[in-house]
Amino acid sequence: EAQVTQNPRYLITVTGKKLTVTCSQNMNHEYMSWYRQDPGLGLRQIYYSMNVEVTDKGDVPEGYKVSRKEKRNFPLILESPSPNQTSLYFCASSLSNYVPAEAFFGQGTRLTVV
Amino acid sequence: GQQLNQSPQSMFIQEGEDVSMNCTSSSIFNTWLWYKQDPGEGPVLLIALYKAGELTSNGRLTAQFGITRKDSFLNISASIPSDVGIYFCAGPDENTNAGKSTFGDGTTLTVKP
Repeated sequence: EAQVTQNPRYLITVTGKKLTVTCSQNMNHEYMSWYRQDPGLGLRQIYYSMNVEVTDKGDVPEGYKVSRKEKRNFPLILESPSPNQTSLYFCASSLSNYVPAEAFFGQGTRLTVV
Repeated sequence: GQQLNQSPQSMFIQEGEDVSMNCTSSSIFNTWLWYKQDPGEGPVLLIALYKAGELTSNGRLTAQFGITRKDSFLNISASIPSDVGIYFCAGPDENTNAGKSTFGDGTTLTVKP
């Protein structure tokens, strides 16, 4: 089954404790992206990757890091999480490197930073 | 970056009614995408539009790519309870070298049985 898998689904952590949210896709997609969703603000793009070893900033990259060492994986790293990073996070992938022509989204990771 | 404005922000309708929502931008888009997000899930693509003036249907859903390329409309006919969710418009950021995408803030739809 074609899918994007995020882990964990839910995470509560403390300020300053490094964490990684994993994202994996099994569709051999070149393009992958991370978004955060906050009430009333829709989906805002954090980082995206057009291919292996190619990553770039979206609209809200501050406080986040990503890596793309393999095509299937695109982890999101919070080196020193802060409460304003409490949010619902989505990973997405699509076949084309020209943005989400048909993007598949993961089920989301709800992060709470206390 | 580019911004997409969706309206209305929320809708409360009776089952069986038709729904109309739109998405506008101050800049031109060459692609319009409509997604639906069910409660507790990630967004799922409903319809993709690639040409100004294009009208595309997917079951009870119909979307149109505005002729000015600055707006798009999504209509749902004969709504049913499972239409509940958040509807997002989205498009690629044409001002960058591809890769960036913009989403609207969403229209939240509630359908009363």
